[in-house]
Amino acid sequence: AQSVSQHNHHVILSEAASLELGCNYSYGGTVNLFWYVQYPGQHLQLLLKYFSGDPLVKGIKGFEAEFIKSKFSFNLRKPSVQWSDTAEYFCAVKSNQAGTALIFGKGTTLSVSS
Amino acid sequence: NAGVTQTPKFRILKIGQSMTLQCTQDMNHNYMYWYRQDPGMGLKLIYYSVGAGITDKGEVPNGYNVSRSTTEDFPLRLELAAPSQTSVYFCASSYRGDGNYEQYFGPGTRLTVT
Repeated sequence: AQSVSQHNHHVILSEAASLELGCNYSYGGTVNLFWYVQYPGQHLQLLLKYFSGDPLVKGIKGFEAEFIKSKFSFNLRKPSVQWSDTAEYFCAVKSNQAGTALIFGKGTTLSVSS
Repeated sequence: NAGVTQTPKFRILKIGQSMTLQCTQDMNHNYMYWYRQDPGMGLKLIYYSVGAGITDKGEVPNGYNVSRSTTEDFPLRLELAAPSQTSVYFCASSYRGDGNYEQYFGPGTRLTVT
């Protein structure tokens, strides 16, 4: 069965620090990968997605992610975090069985101190 | 567009009670989903629908039922509520036809069963 693993449960950073959140997926075929963010009290929003082409994808708010097929990874990065980036971040892969449903990782809570 | 709307936002149920969580989208999306989010566990798929009249089980369907009589609405029914159903429930929708697969989420319903 498909699965997604996020390595970090809780990350604490100071403002201006660089961020990298790990994500690995299990399926070896064609994958569609996503990063979603959930700010406190808000619903999930799409940060970025990868379907094909350039493995370095750029999303909103200065986030980017790199798809490395050989490592089954899709890590999220940001060069300099801000206090407003405090949120929960979810990596997800499109299911190859349940329509276009998503299979989510357990999430990483990012806390940024000012 | 209002996007995906969910009602109620909060609800407390007693064990054995029943209720329906409402979900409506105004984007003419053909795919709709119900997920539950438990702390530290990410989101898990309960049911999904690929169009009016067509529904299918996801990863955790036990204790729930759904129907899809219109494109816009996808209610989730809880029969005989149990404490294990205490969770945050998210409805989402997506459009299959453009290959985008991006899902749009509602604000969630926080349910407590005591």
